[in-house]
Amino acid sequence: SQTIHQWPATLVQPVGSPLSLECTVEGTSNPNLYWYRQAAGRGLQLLFYSVGIGQISSEVPQNLSASRPQDRQFILSSKKLLLSDSGFYLCAWSKIRVSGNTIYFGEGSWLTVV
Amino acid sequence: DQQVKQNSPSLSVQEGRISILNCDYTNSMFDYFLWYKKYPAEGPTFLISISSIKDKNEDGRFTVFLNKSAKHLSLHIVPSQPGDSAVYFCAGVSGTYKYIFGTGTRLKVLA
Repeated sequence: SQTIHQWPATLVQPVGSPLSLECTVEGTSNPNLYWYRQAAGRGLQLLFYSVGIGQISSEVPQNLSASRPQDRQFILSSKKLLLSDSGFYLCAWSKIRVSGNTIYFGEGSWLTVV
Repeated sequence: DQQVKQNSPSLSVQEGRISILNCDYTNSMFDYFLWYKKYPAEGPTFLISISSIKDKNEDGRFTVFLNKSAKHLSLHIVPSQPGDSAVYFCAGVSGTYKYIFGTGTRLKVLA
């Protein structure tokens, strides 16, 4: 069966510090990969998605970047965090080229920028 | 542009009664819609989905209705149980990879 893991689960970082959140998927190959953020009152906002290694699409202009160095690895990064980057970050995957397929989420990472 | 909207941020329902959660969308290119349930500090979990070519899909206590002309879908939970208390998100997907979620509705089922 397929599993998705992301880490760390909780992170408290000072303003201006770097960020790296990691996500890996097991049990499938060539998944679509996603980073979402849940901020207070904002629902689940799509930040990035990737349909293949090195292929990253950004949905909103922001202080964050994403990379996909391996087929089942997705990394969310920032060089200098802002207070507004605080939120609950969710990695997710879906099967590539399967219309209407379920998207599966990781456990989430709480980021507090202080 | 908020392509998927859930205009009710919260809903309270008595245990055993019906819960109706609503969702509106603007993107006519969505070909599937999905509902997810989320507890605090956890990732959302899949509940039920519906293709844009259907108007109803049922799975146990959960039924999703789609009205394409109104660009509206709803999730019915019957009977509601205290364990259903959570935040519910609807999502639309066009093509094979771009899932757009709404802002969520917090459901509270009162015992």
